[in-house]
Amino acid sequence: GNSVTQMEGPVTLSEEAFLTINCTYTATGYPSLFWYVQYPGEGLQLLLKATKADDKGSNKGFEATYRKETTSFHLEKGSVQVSDSAVYFCALSARGQGGATNKLIFGTGTLLAVQP
Amino acid sequence: GAVVSQHPSRVICKSGTSVKIECRSLDFQATTMFWYRQFPKQSLMLMATSNEGSKATYEQGVEKDKFLINHASLTLSTLTVTSAHPEDSSFYICSARPTGAGQSGNTIYFGEGSWLTVV
Repeated sequence: GNSVTQMEGPVTLSEEAFLTINCTYTATGYPSLFWYVQYPGEGLQLLLKATKADDKGSNKGFEATYRKETTSFHLEKGSVQVSDSAVYFCALSARGQGGATNKLIFGTGTLLAVQP
Repeated sequence: GAVVSQHPSRVICKSGTSVKIECRSLDFQATTMFWYRQFPKQSLMLMATSNEGSKATYEQGVEKDKFLINHASLTLSTLTVTSAHPEDSSFYICSARPTGAGQSGNTIYFGEGSWLTVV
């Protein structure tokens, strides 16, 4: 079946440090891949996405590249800020049996804490 | 941007009682809404897909008689946890897809989530 595995947190970094949050997936066919972010007290928000192999999604300084050969979609940011502190979820969207409505399958989430 | 609101954000109920959680799309209509639950340190698990004007589609292993879903209008879906027990304590979160939007994930908007504690 389809699944997403992401690194456990919490990840604690100092401001301006480099961030990597690993995400790997298992899926049949060609899923779309997403990173969602949840700031304290808020709902999940789409951060970036990639819909096919070698696509790079980017937003707010974050990047992730769809690597089919390694089934990965690692999230990176060159210089994190305190305001980036949040929970980050990796997810995939794959069409179900009989072409049913796409569903999002999430990883467990990774808490990022950035210290000044 | 599009806003989805859940209410209540936190609720405590006694074992054996029922509790209702509302999910509203505030500035768009949503034919389809989704309900997830999340246990501590685990993934968000899809419970059911809520379709306006028809019965919800439940994921395997989810008791439809225990988790009642009603999607009576294009802006409101409700999840009722019936005869709640402590093991139902969890974080419940809904999402909504605007009517007519494509099926890619970037057209899905999430609520803030609801913490349910059953004592």
